Amino acid sequence: AQTVTQSQPEMSVQEAETVTLSCTYDTSESNYYLFWYKQPPSRQMILVIRQEAYKQQNATENRFSVNFQKAAKSFSLKISDSQLGDTAMYFCAFMRDSGTYKYIFGTGTRLKVLA
Amino acid sequence: EAGVVQSPRYKIIEKKQPVAFWCNPISGHNTLYWYLQNLGQGPELLIRYENEEAVDDSQLPKDRFSAERLKGVDSTLKIQPAELGDSAVYLCASSLASSYNEQFFGPGTRLTVL
Repeated sequence: AQTVTQSQPEMSVQEAETVTLSCTYDTSESNYYLFWYKQPPSRQMILVIRQEAYKQQNATENRFSVNFQKAAKSFSLKISDSQLGDTAMYFCAFMRDSGTYKYIFGTGTRLKVLA
Repeated sequence: EAGVVQSPRYKIIEKKQPVAFWCNPISGHNTLYWYLQNLGQGPELLIRYENEEAVDDSQLPKDRFSAERLKGVDSTLKIQPAELGDSAVYLCASSLASSYNEQFFGPGTRLTVL
């Protein structure tokens, strides 16, 4: 069974600085999809970034980028130039390339951006 | 464009009472998901619909939970009877189709069972 581990329950970062959130996963499959979702205090989750495992190039979305290490089964999220609006729970998620379309979420990292 | 709508946002009931949650997905989204999110955990899928068909309900506790999506648009999730351990946030999400792409989440319903 696939598992997703986020080992940092809470983190904080000063505004305008850079922070990296860690995620590791366990799977025996060669192709799959990885996601980072953000859940602000209002609870509506939104997609931050997505990575296909068959792509070697790391995904980037504006201030958000990932470091995808397939052999190490690691998928970290880097937030550059942190903003107060980045304060939220961040969930790493895994999806098999099998037609089940089911996310396996980690337990989340609570990020607080300090003014 | 309106997002996924859920109601109520909060519900407090006593154990053994029934409760129902409603979800209206984004217009045109054929696939609808119900997730359970316990405190301090990530969401876990309960059921996935493609149009009006429940294509994955393997994680739905069928002794007390039921769901329907009669016209392939909005959906209702019901618990009868509720137990103390059902206290959680129930999230609804939708997507254009079952795919490996983004799911759009609603704000959730926070259920407290006393």
